[in-house]
Amino acid sequence: SYVLTQPPSVSVAPGKTARITCEGNNIGSKSVHWYQQEPGQAPVLVIFYDSDRPSGIPERFSGSNSGNTATLTINRVEVGDEADYYCQVWDRSGGRVFGGGTKLTVL
Amino acid sequence: EVQLVESGGGLVQPGGSLRLSCAASGFTFTNYWMHWVRQTSGKGPLWVSRINIDGSSAAYADSVKGRFIISRDNAKNTLYLQMNSLRAEETGVYYCVRAESGTAAPFDYWGQGALVTVST
Repeated sequence: SYVLTQPPSVSVAPGKTARITCEGNNIGSKSVHWYQQEPGQAPVLVIFYDSDRPSGIPERFSGSNSGNTATLTINRVEVGDEADYYCQVWDRSGGRVFGGGTKLTVL
Repeated sequence: EVQLVESGGGLVQPGGSLRLSCAASGFTFTNYWMHWVRQTSGKGPLWVSRINIDGSSAAYADSVKGRFIISRDNAKNTLYLQMNSLRAEETGVYYCVRAESGTAAPFDYWGQGALVTVST
């Protein structure tokens, strides 16, 4: 099966840039989607197909994907961005796979 | 406004059965594949099952094959998940999720979830 590895936590000060990584074997050849989940809420799609943004998601959110690492970047981080973030891909052998999640803490 | 509202969750004993429903509104139900995704407290989501637009094709995670059945009633804009022979480790929140057709499509709308507790 296909495994996606995320750091358990990332901390950043307000106004700075947060980068959350998602590692997988040759993930650059796959389409990566990112979800934000606030406590007690359902996940929300924030980036799809590596770098596209759904309507209503701030331009501060961006994504990239190359080699063995996909990255979600959040510029000018706000307190309201504090949440768990999950990457997700489809893999021929593993199906729809999610990463273990990264807790973003805004200091 | 897209709405996905799950119901049918609750407490069930190991080996028991439960049927989840998901009422969809605010979009053309027959244009989308529908999925069930489970999340256990403190862990990442886990894809469980999906069904295509007319219900003619379904897929399941290996762990639930032969025990869970996904179905849809397009006349009622409703998605179902029949869960049999439930196990304690299948306790969690079950989300009804929408996605466009295709294996790589993102999950663009999620319901608020139905809590299923498998315990004695």
